[in-house]
Amino acid sequence: GDSVTQMEGPVTLSEEAFLTINCTYTATGYPSLFWYVQYPGEGLQLLLKATKADDKGSNKGFEATYRKETTSFHLEKGSVQVSDSAVYFCGIGGTSYGKLTFGQGTILTVHP
Amino acid sequence: GAVVSQHPSWVICKSGTSVKIECRSLDFQATTMFWYRQFPKQSLMLMATSNEGSKATYEQGVEKDKFLINHASLTLSTLTVTSAHPEDSSFYICSAHSDSGNTIYFGEGSWLTVV
Repeated sequence: GDSVTQMEGPVTLSEEAFLTINCTYTATGYPSLFWYVQYPGEGLQLLLKATKADDKGSNKGFEATYRKETTSFHLEKGSVQVSDSAVYFCGIGGTSYGKLTFGQGTILTVHP
Repeated sequence: GAVVSQHPSWVICKSGTSVKIECRSLDFQATTMFWYRQFPKQSLMLMATSNEGSKATYEQGVEKDKFLINHASLTLSTLTVTSAHPEDSSFYICSAHSDSGNTIYFGEGSWLTVV
C-alpha cells in the first residue's frame, strides 16, 4: 500500500534560518502530494499541494516540488519565523481524493 | 475560522463506557467524511470513510463494532467508541470532503483519554 516517510523531528531553528523537511513516498500510480500544518490547538490546514510531476506547490513562503524520479516532496522555506512553529505532515492522495496517507509529522520550533 | 468543527476537543471517560465524537461541516455539504487516529509520535492513520446515508467503509484492522460511525446528514458524522478501554486513548481527527469544491477540510481533533 501507499506509505510516506517523513523526516523525524523535532526540528529546532532560529528565526530567519533555512528550513528543509524531507518527505519521500511509495505509491502506485501518480498520487497528489500535500503538506499540511497543524498549529497548537488547531486542526490540520492545507499548506500546499502538487498534483503532477515537476509541479511546485507554494504558500506563505513555503515551497515543495513534486519529484517523481526520487519520489520526494521536500518542504522548504528560506527564512522561518516564530509563527511557523507547528507540526508539519506530508501526505499523499490517490484516486479517492479525500483518502490521504500521512507521514508521522515533524515538529518545528522556531526561536527568536 | 474553522470550517469543520469537532466536538468535544477533550474527553475523559471510564473504561467500559461509550463516548461519541462529532464532526460537523459548517459552511458546506460533505457526502464523504473521514476519521483518523493518531498515536503519540506516530502518523495519522485512516480508520474509516464515512458516507452519508450508507455504511462506513473501515480500513483493515479497525473494528467496526467498536468504532461506530454514523453519517446521518450531509453536515454531520459521528464516531462512537464503544466499551472504551485505555488502549483506545488517542487523538481522533476527522476530515470532510466538500461536495462542491473538491477540497478537504480537517477538524481540530479530539483527545480521548480512557481511565
